[in-house]
Amino acid sequence: GQQVMQIPQYQHVQEGEDFTTYCNSSTTLSNIQWYKQRPGGHPVFLIQLVKSGEVKKQKRLTFQFGEAKKNSSLHITATQTTDVGTYFCAGYGSSNTGKLIFGQGTTLQVKP
Amino acid sequence: GAVVSQHPSRVICKSGTSVKIECRSLDFQATTMFWYRQFPKQSLMLMATSNEGSKATYEQGVEKDKFLINHASLTLSTLTVTSAHPEDSSFYICSAGTSGGLYNEQFFGPGTRLTVL
Repeated sequence: GQQVMQIPQYQHVQEGEDFTTYCNSSTTLSNIQWYKQRPGGHPVFLIQLVKSGEVKKQKRLTFQFGEAKKNSSLHITATQTTDVGTYFCAGYGSSNTGKLIFGQGTTLQVKP
Repeated sequence: GAVVSQHPSRVICKSGTSVKIECRSLDFQATTMFWYRQFPKQSLMLMATSNEGSKATYEQGVEKDKFLINHASLTLSTLTVTSAHPEDSSFYICSAGTSGGLYNEQFFGPGTRLTVL
């Protein structure tokens, strides 16, 4: 079945350093979404990318969707302690099932 | 954004008992709700898709007789864990999509942390 892989699993950075998490799908995605889950919390929607090669920015966060619509990345510039949490990518496959398949998540720790 | 509530937020129960978790979309109608399970330090695993007025669609490996799902209205879906055992202890999260498209963002409830003793 469709799989969404995410790397790295964990990342520890010093406050102010940049951070990137990568997401790869075994199949072409209709779109890709990114969620953030704070420790003890639930996933919160960040953004959705739909078009091939699309790039979107939210302040210090930059999201990219690959040309082949099989990979995506989230880059955080100059991390802050408030960025701590687990970032999940999730995609809808092209089979039109309406099911969102989540990556394993990347847990970010930021040292002040 | 749309708000999804879940109740209870935490529940501790004895082995063998049943636990019902409610998921409500507060300010929109959700024809489809999704139930996920998340074990510590792991990703969200889709358990089932709940459609209003029809039977839920379960993912492979999820026992439909153990995890009973009811979606009686456009704003309420329930998950009942029957005869719970310690291995059922997990974080159960529901989500709902807004109407108007299959690929919309999903709004997640705050989750229910189940501990089975």
